[in-house]
Amino acid sequence: NAGVTQTPKFRVLKTGQSMTLLCAQDMNHEYMYWYRQDPGMGLRLIHYSVGEGTTAKGEVPDGYNVSRLKKQNFLLGLESAAPSQTSVYFCASTFVGQGNIQYFGAGTRLSVL
Amino acid sequence: AQSVTQPDIHITVSEGASLELRCNYSYGATPYLFWYVQSPGQGLQLLLKYFSGDTLVQGIKGFEAEFKRSQSSFNLRKPSVHWSDAAEYFCAVGALDSNYQLIWGAGTKLIIKP
Repeated sequence: NAGVTQTPKFRVLKTGQSMTLLCAQDMNHEYMYWYRQDPGMGLRLIHYSVGEGTTAKGEVPDGYNVSRLKKQNFLLGLESAAPSQTSVYFCASTFVGQGNIQYFGAGTRLSVL
Repeated sequence: AQSVTQPDIHITVSEGASLELRCNYSYGATPYLFWYVQSPGQGLQLLLKYFSGDTLVQGIKGFEAEFKRSQSSFNLRKPSVHWSDAAEYFCAVGALDSNYQLIWGAGTKLIIKP
């Protein structure tokens, strides 16, 4: 059972570089989320999607873009990385009828130098 | 605004001792309540949840939590901790009208003394 899979697991970027983080889920979930996790701050929502082709801003969307072209995939893009984006990024998904139970990927650890 | 407070950043407990992690929330109605656990370098795993009904809920790994509406609390407990319980624990609140979003506490790191 794959569940939620995030790639890559680790990445080091230089300031100004771009990259895309991929989240894939095989549970046919409608809702998907991108979070960042920083020490002492819990999880903060970056963007989320309520279905294929739809996205919305979360609490900390600046500097990130997302796309949900296929139901199973949710991409997070950094167009011009900054050191403040050094963090651990988590993807999660859920579906209607599960309340708010979210299922998480293993995370992507990103360092921006 | 909805919020979740976990007052303890770190808690140190001896192996075999009991554990209680605190969680307080602010929300206008009865929310959905969750505890998740994150082992080092891992993603988050659901420990238990409260939607409605019995206010004492049982979860995996021997954990339980009690919803107290009057205190706006959802504290996590375990009668006897094991070294493998060392992890970070997150409390979260959700609501029906929130696009299934969760509001997260800052987490409590549990350290187990041998």
